[in-house]
Amino acid sequence: RKEVEQDPGPFNVPEGATVAFNCTYSNSASQSFFWYRQDCRKEPKLLMSVYSSGNEDGRFTAQLNRASQYISLLIRDSKLSDSATYLCVVNPGGYNKLIFGAGTRLAVHP
Amino acid sequence: GAGVSQSPSNKVTEKGKDVELRCDPISGHTALYWYRQSLGQGLEFLIYFQGNSAPDKSGLPSDRFSAERTGGSVSTLTIQRTQQEDSAVYLCASSLTRAEQYFGPGTRLTVT
Repeated sequence: RKEVEQDPGPFNVPEGATVAFNCTYSNSASQSFFWYRQDCRKEPKLLMSVYSSGNEDGRFTAQLNRASQYISLLIRDSKLSDSATYLCVVNPGGYNKLIFGAGTRLAVHP
Repeated sequence: GAGVSQSPSNKVTEKGKDVELRCDPISGHTALYWYRQSLGQGLEFLIYFQGNSAPDKSGLPSDRFSAERTGGSVSTLTIQRTQQEDSAVYLCASSLTRAEQYFGPGTRLTVT
């Protein structure tokens, strides 16, 4: 079983749609959680951290369920510029090693 | 300020040759990481440096892979006797805080 699992997609949605991505992780001792965004042939960039209480950054909302070892990302009012691969990322603890999911591809069309 | 830089951006090499990949982290970042991303795959952790020491090199796929860091700054990843399965994008990241890692643009390695 992979340490971090994501639906690979692709998710094809029209502009303005709401889309949700899910992710599960296997290590119950994991300490911190993130969503990264990766554009085609570019490096990953931090989108947002994920906190236990849930957190929001503009159109983006992240949720964490430690009991179910489940992380989600909700994007509201999708823009063309949101088209990218979204990577679910887990820090299993200790120093700062990150474990990446394979990513979920999002394509927003006019 | 300057971000993480990597060189070369692209490298094509013949099977069996050695290659050296370079990473210049953000100035002052004490932690440095190497990852590998194969086509259609997620990022795979290779090695972590804190200063010049590597407390975790558990992700290096074989003894053909080695890395070093000097002066708490520049790092090189060396792959000896390259194989076709080594073809991937090699990404370097650095961090100051425990959480946020900043990635370089990567080196795309193709072994023919």
